[in-house]
Amino acid sequence: DGGITQSPKYLFRKEGQNVTLSCEQNLNHDAMYWYRQDPGQGLRLIYYSQIVNDFQKGDIAEGYSVSREKKESFPLTVTSAQKNPTAFYLCASTNQRTGSIASKAFFGQGTRLTVV
Amino acid sequence: AQKITQTQPGMFVQEKEAVTLDCTYDTSDQSYGLFWYKQPSSGEMIFLIYQGSYDEQNATEGRYSLNFQKARKSANLVISASQLGDSAMYFCAMREGPDYGQNFVFGPGTRLSVLP
Repeated sequence: DGGITQSPKYLFRKEGQNVTLSCEQNLNHDAMYWYRQDPGQGLRLIYYSQIVNDFQKGDIAEGYSVSREKKESFPLTVTSAQKNPTAFYLCASTNQRTGSIASKAFFGQGTRLTVV
Repeated sequence: AQKITQTQPGMFVQEKEAVTLDCTYDTSDQSYGLFWYKQPSSGEMIFLIYQGSYDEQNATEGRYSLNFQKARKSANLVISASQLGDSAMYFCAMREGPDYGQNFVFGPGTRLSVLP
């Protein structure tokens, strides 16, 4: 079955460490997104990529970095510069090629990151 | 300014009754799409229903329908015959056209609790 796989499901980070969250999709989607969700809150856009080797900052990109070397993969690195990284992280993708804003976003299961 | 407003942080509904979750949006784009997603406690985001700005009829998907009032910029989700499994967070989201980035913007969500 096609879908988006995020790993790990739970991640613990020590102060000052960088950690990388994995996001892989086999939907052949062009566009991929990373969102952050804090408890009881909506989703905020961190980074997005509409094509391989290109990505753009979202609303809260500071302290995060991404790469898009393959269409299927869009890993997110939470750097030590992110002062409050404890949150739920969701990766999503859409089929941008339809050229339609009707293309819904497909989501992964999420990664819960905790700073210890 | 908030692009998506969901004024009900929490809602209760009796099993088998209908419930309306409110969503208002703000855009100056003529072409946009409105989405509703459900997020159970497990964290995954489940797509429920879509309404395009040019769609003349309200969208329906099984027990879900969207009460779209374009002039009021509202897109309320109606769930008929509520079930215990409907207890979850519900997010309204908007996607604007290419001139506005085509990214999804999410509201803060409404937590729905279905009572037996």
